[in-house]
Amino acid sequence: GAGVSQSPSNKVTEKGKDVELRCDPISGHTALYWYRQSLGQGLEFLIYFQGNSAPDKSGLPSDRFSAERTGGSVSTLTIQRTQQEDSAVYLCASSLVGGGDTQYFGPGTRLTVL
Amino acid sequence: KQEVTQIPAALSVPEGENLVLNCSFTDSAIYNLQWFRQDPGKGLTSLLLIQSSQREQTSGRLNASLDKSSGRSTLYIAASQPGDSATYLCAVSGNTDKLIFGTGTRLQVFP
Repeated sequence: GAGVSQSPSNKVTEKGKDVELRCDPISGHTALYWYRQSLGQGLEFLIYFQGNSAPDKSGLPSDRFSAERTGGSVSTLTIQRTQQEDSAVYLCASSLVGGGDTQYFGPGTRLTVL
Repeated sequence: KQEVTQIPAALSVPEGENLVLNCSFTDSAIYNLQWFRQDPGKGLTSLLLIQSSQREQTSGRLNASLDKSSGRSTLYIAASQPGDSATYLCAVSGNTDKLIFGTGTRLQVFP
């Protein structure tokens, strides 16, 4: 069956531009997570959705970062006024019900800010 | 604050060897622990999930153990193969759903 998909797979942007990253979770999965993987920081949690609500957004690094989820399915992570330190691989994961379920990861979006 | 450490950072072994990857965490109040593999340029593939009440889980040539009280988990890979070459990550979840990841062990198995 279809796994978690993310688009685009690669994104190169100029400093100061806004970017949108998309995640399509596994069908029927209620929980959705965003993580960021960068060379200096390893893999870090950003935000967690249960349905369309975000009970934990503690990992968002600044107010330039926001995310939404609509229809309990697709999620979009938006980074405004990108900075070079935002360059990383952004990974999305979903799980059936959350609460410690196995998380299934997408292939990621590699973001490069010039 | 939960911190997860993995040792060794890198490992290179000949095909056929049995090997052990180590993961330690500072806060024993975990909900579960997951082991993942990551191939270059790819996402993460879940290998095993151990609930906090469990001691071990097995899948094929993989066996993961958990000692919650001492804050340790090991991933045992039997009869390693070149296809096992990847980065292995452990991650713990606490009373929130987010995963806290270790820094990974980069494994190379050569023929």
